[in-house]
Amino acid sequence: QVQLQESGPGLVKPSETLSLTCSVSGGSISGYYWSWIRLPPGKGLEWIGYIHYTGDTKYDPSLISRVTMSVDTFKNQFSLNLYSVTTADTAVYYCARLTSDGGYHYIHYWGQGTLVTVSS
Amino acid sequence: DIVMTQSPLSLPVTPGEPASISCRSSQSLLHSNGYTFMDWYLQKPGQSPQVLIYRTSNRAPGVPDRFRGSGSGTDFTLKISRVEAEDVGVYYCMQTLQGRTFGQGTKVEIK
Repeated sequence: QVQLQESGPGLVKPSETLSLTCSVSGGSISGYYWSWIRLPPGKGLEWIGYIHYTGDTKYDPSLISRVTMSVDTFKNQFSLNLYSVTTADTAVYYCARLTSDGGYHYIHYWGQGTLVTVSS
Repeated sequence: DIVMTQSPLSLPVTPGEPASISCRSSQSLLHSNGYTFMDWYLQKPGQSPQVLIYRTSNRAPGVPDRFRGSGSGTDFTLKISRVEAEDVGVYYCMQTLQGRTFGQGTKVEIK
């Protein structure tokens, strides 16, 4: 069974960079798309973007100027960097793996989520 | 950008009774391959989200058959044939045609 675990600082100062890593166990990072999704307090789910194990990425247009994702196939991890954060970036951040059915990719496996608070 | 609009945003339900959630997209989600690109997710209290339905009407592995997704073009529906207490939580539709966009969420709770 694939398991995902987010890790990173729980507190980030405004204007600084939010950096999270997702460690994958029970399966290889190769061959799949990997995604980051967040849940701001009192709001709904927000898609941040996804990365293929080859390094191809797609980001949400509202975040594209501030986000990068990367994959480390040797460590079986992928990462999120969100730059110049504000209090609006406070959220529970989830990493996830997409599963393919005939070329259609849906979000299947999720991490437990990690709360990141942006505050001075 | 594709905008997803769900209704209702709050849905009190009675166990054993049916329930239905609607989702409308700001543009057609029909892909050139003939499939319609829309998923449904449920986030139960204290848990990570889980997929229920993918590509409009396909139940994900392990999802009970009381959940059914349908729709086409810009109008979609998630139906629960007989609600159970464990079905409470927030339901989200999500388009997958251009990136991903979630709906606002529909909170389902027991009356």
